[in-house]
Amino acid sequence: GNSVTQMEGPVTLSEEAFLTINCTYTATGYPSLFWYVQYPGEGLQLLLKATKADDKGSNKGFEATYRKETTSFHLEKGSVQVSDSAVYFCALRRYSGGYQKVTFGIGTKLQVIP
Amino acid sequence: NAGVTQTPKFQVLKTGQSMTLQCAQDMNHEYMSWYRQDPGMGLRLIHYSVGAGITDQGEVPNGYNVSRSTTEDFPLRLLSAAPSQTSVYFCASSFRRQGQQETQYFGPGTRLLVL
Repeated sequence: GNSVTQMEGPVTLSEEAFLTINCTYTATGYPSLFWYVQYPGEGLQLLLKATKADDKGSNKGFEATYRKETTSFHLEKGSVQVSDSAVYFCALRRYSGGYQKVTFGIGTKLQVIP
Repeated sequence: NAGVTQTPKFQVLKTGQSMTLQCAQDMNHEYMSWYRQDPGMGLRLIHYSVGAGITDQGEVPNGYNVSRSTTEDFPLRLLSAAPSQTSVYFCASSFRRQGQQETQYFGPGTRLLVL
């Protein structure tokens, strides 16, 4: 079956540090890959996505590249801010009869300290 | 647009009580889903609906019922709450484009504690 693996954290960084959150996946075929962000007390928001191999998703300074050869979709940001403190979920999407089946990772908590 | 709204934000139940978690969206989305979020387990799909009058089970449906009488509303019912249902519940919706379901919009969540 499909699965997504990411570390739970927390990941603690100082402001302006470089961020990497690893995400690897197992899936048949060619899934779409996503990163969602959940700020404290809120629901999940789509951060970025990539729909095919070698695609790079980017938003708000975050980037992730769909690597089919390593089945990975690592999230990176060059300089984190305190406002980036949140939980980050990696997810994959496969379609079955036009309906999407989304598999989420466990979420990685990021804490950025001033 | 209000997007996806959920009520209540927080609820405490005793074992065996029943309740309904409300979810509504004003974006005319065909697809709606219920997830539960538990520590160390990410989000798991409970039930989903592909349109008014059509629902189906997700990954963890036991103990939950749903119905979809209108496009806007997708309530989740717990008929007899159990401590194992203590969780944070998220509702999500999405539209269809070119025959496929697009990216989901999530509500703010309902935190449920079953004693």
